Amino acid sequence: DTEVTQTPKHLVMGMTNKKSLKCEQHMGHRAMYWYKQKAKKPPELMFVYSYEKLSINESVPSRFSPECPNSSLLNLHLHALQPEDSALYLCASRAGGPYNEQFFGPGTRLTVL
Amino acid sequence: DQQVKQNSPSLSVQEGRISILNCDYTNSMFDYFLWYKKYPAEGPTFLISISSIKDKNEDGRFTVFLNKSAKHLSLHIVPSQPGDSAVYFCAASRRALTFGSGTRLQVQP
Repeated sequence: DTEVTQTPKHLVMGMTNKKSLKCEQHMGHRAMYWYKQKAKKPPELMFVYSYEKLSINESVPSRFSPECPNSSLLNLHLHALQPEDSALYLCASRAGGPYNEQFFGPGTRLTVL
Repeated sequence: DQQVKQNSPSLSVQEGRISILNCDYTNSMFDYFLWYKKYPAEGPTFLISISSIKDKNEDGRFTVFLNKSAKHLSLHIVPSQPGDSAVYFCAASRRALTFGSGTRLQVQP
């Protein structure tokens, strides 16, 4: 299984809602990532988990809360988002060692009304 | 401050010819470079990578060249095919990936 899966594919939420994005990989990768991509822009790093511990938080607002329940799963909990948070949210994973490529999931298209 | 730059937002090439996509970076601490291909509403797909200790890496129709002194890398696709039409992102790695802004490649049949 060489796939990173993300659910849901699309999500529409109001500014007062609480929702979660889910990412799963079964490649045994020990590093997992959340990226945000706005239209016509490159993906921007949000969080990095290494061996289920948060290792990098790129100054992301607290309305985004990541969670890594186990080595295969990565969640992104959303609360009180703003319309400008609407974007494609990408999850990626990487095997151990510094030089291995990251495998990306298909993304969740989030719209905040 | 953009640490990874792709100065050509778009490139159009005839089928069968060579496509050359360019990328420049500013941070000499980057030690690994990657190219990804992306279709709309999909995640990036890994194409090819190169370590900073090498100057060339080849995989089928794709070759990546790295010029460390110029802080420049390029992706060559030979021969180009219509299915190669997509947005290509250059990325540089230190703790995580830093992406360039992308180049939209259009291969004309």
